[in-house]
Formats: sequence, C-alpha cells, structure tokens
Amino acid sequence: AQSVTQLDSQVPVFEEAPVELRCNYSSSVSVYLFWYVQYPNQGLQLLLKYLSGSTLVKGINGFEAEFNKSQTSFHLRKPSVHISDTAEYFCAAQTYSTLTFGKGTMLLVSP
Amino acid sequence: NAGVTQTPKFRVLKTGQSMTLLCAQDMNHEYMYWYRQDPGMGLRLIHYSVGEGTTAKGEVPDGYNVSRLKKQNFLLGLESAAPSQTSVYFCASSSGLNQPQHFGDGTRLSIL
Repeated sequence: AQSVTQLDSQVPVFEEAPVELRCNYSSSVSVYLFWYVQYPNQGLQLLLKYLSGSTLVKGINGFEAEFNKSQTSFHLRKPSVHISDTAEYFCAAQTYSTLTFGKGTMLLVSP
Repeated sequence: NAGVTQTPKFRVLKTGQSMTLLCAQDMNHEYMYWYRQDPGMGLRLIHYSVGEGTTAKGEVPDGYNVSRLKKQNFLLGLESAAPSQTSVYFCASSSGLNQPQHFGDGTRLSIL
C-alpha cells in the first residue's frame, strides 16, 4: 500500500516570497506523482505531474517540483508567490488504478 | 467545454433517506472515480470504474453503491444516509491509469 505525507497543514508566507510545500511518499512499487491545487469551493486542478524522465518538473502558474527517489520526496516550490496562489495544495501518488492523496497544505499568502 | 459535471451541487438529507449523485464527463474517458473530502483528511477514494459496466471498491466504500451503465456517467448512491456521510463529494475521470484526473466542482451533502 502507498501513503502520502504532507508535512505542513498550513504555510503562511508574504507576497513575493519563495515557498516550498513538502511531500513525502511511501510505496513498494514505482509511483507516479502529482500536485493538485484547490481554490475555495472548486474542484482540484492539476498543477504538475512526474511520470518519468527529468526529476525537475515544471507546472502551471510558475510552480515546479523535484522528484527525489532516495528521499522519497516530491516537494513543490515557487520562487515568488502571489496573493492569488492562496489555496489548498494536494500531493498525490498513483500506482495501478488508484490515486492516494495527502491531507493537503493550505498556502496562505498575505500582502 | 464542460469536462466533468456533477449534479446536484448541494443537498440536505435526513438520516435514512436515499439519494443518487450524478457525474457526467464529455471527454470519452475510460476511468471514473468518486471521492469524499473531509476537513484535514484530504480526498479518499470511495469507488472507481475502469470502464463501462465495471466498478471497484476504493478506500472507504461502506454505505455507498455505484453504477457505470454508460461510459460517460458514473452514479454514486447512498441507500440509507447517515450523518457520518456529511461531506463534499468529488467525481473525477481520466484517460488512463497513470494519467491526470479531471475533477468536477463537487457536491456538498449534509445529512441531518
């Protein structure tokens, strides 16, 4: 069975500051990794995905993530956040037919 | 450009009532999923389908049933609603096993 751990439930940050949202996973088989974003009262939108190849993955809205197999991590980063990035972010790992989500990290961007 | 559409968006039920949530996708995806989202719990998979006429249990299937009679529709049923089923329900679809899932906007369900 696989599991996904998001180490921070909330991350407060000031506008234009860099941010890192942490994600660790465990799985006995190869996994595919995703980051999704959820804005208030909306469904989840895909930010980026890692299926194979380059370990640095670039996504929408200036986000990127790095797959680290030895540390079983897939941390999400953005060099300069905007107020509009305030949302909940979910890391997810997929093996076979099911996707396992972390419990989410609320990113709170203030002026 | 509908993508994944969920109906209804909101519903309040009394304990013991039954209802069906409808999910429709127009992307010709084979795979469809039902999740529930609870505060601090992330999303948990209830049931999923890998094609028309197939269904399978996810992490939290008890108290729910599903049907996939048509490729574009995936129905989630609650036969006898309980307060513990108060949640936000999301439907998703994907074109393949390891492809990104596309989500609907959710159904907020309250059981009194």
